[in-house]
Amino acid sequence: EVQLVESGGGLVQPGRSLRLSCAASGFTFDDYAMHWLRQIPGKGLEWLSGITWNSYTIGYADSVKGRFTISRDNAKNSVFLQMDSLRVEDTALYYCARDIQAAGFNWFDPWGQGTLVTVSS
Amino acid sequence: EIVMTQSPATLSVSPGESATLSCRASQSIRSNLAWYQQKPGQAPKIVIYSTSTRATGIPHRFSGRGSGTEFTLTISSLQSEDFAVYYCQQYNEWPALTFGGGTKVEIK
Repeated sequence: EVQLVESGGGLVQPGRSLRLSCAASGFTFDDYAMHWLRQIPGKGLEWLSGITWNSYTIGYADSVKGRFTISRDNAKNSVFLQMDSLRVEDTALYYCARDIQAAGFNWFDPWGQGTLVTVSS
Repeated sequence: EIVMTQSPATLSVSPGESATLSCRASQSIRSNLAWYQQKPGQAPKIVIYSTSTRATGIPHRFSGRGSGTEFTLTISSLQSEDFAVYYCQQYNEWPALTFGGGTKVEIK
């Protein structure tokens, strides 16, 4: 069974950092690009960042460019999101999702269940 | 960035009736459009990709159409499990992938 499990969320003060992890299982991890997305509770979906299988292509949404860094460790079947200079408006449920291809960014299937990040003083 | 606009925001439909959801792109995205279904407390699930291809396990009552800038998702004979929020997503312009704001399909 394909599974994505996010971790690392929690309560953090504005300006501080947090590192999210996504552990993948049930498929050959380095056959797929991976992504991070978020959803403010009760609101819509926002793509944040993606990384191809070999980390050669990385992309970010303008809202997080320069503050968030995506990375992956194929040996550990994991993808990470380093979030620096966090803002109150970064409060959301953060999802990890698998692309349908190794290279290039497409649609997402499946998604993890998400990890909640709350930025508040 | 390509802006995706969904309408209506909410669609009230009786079980057994059909629902048509719209998604418009601010510029042509060819057929590079996906639809997701999200139920309360759950992660989104892929329903349609490449505008009209049903994902694995998605019933035939879900159908997608369109190209360029105008797209629709039609759910015929709505079942209780179909009431949810639906999002469209473009993947023509990457890495800047973008979603529409969502359409909530609720029971009338």
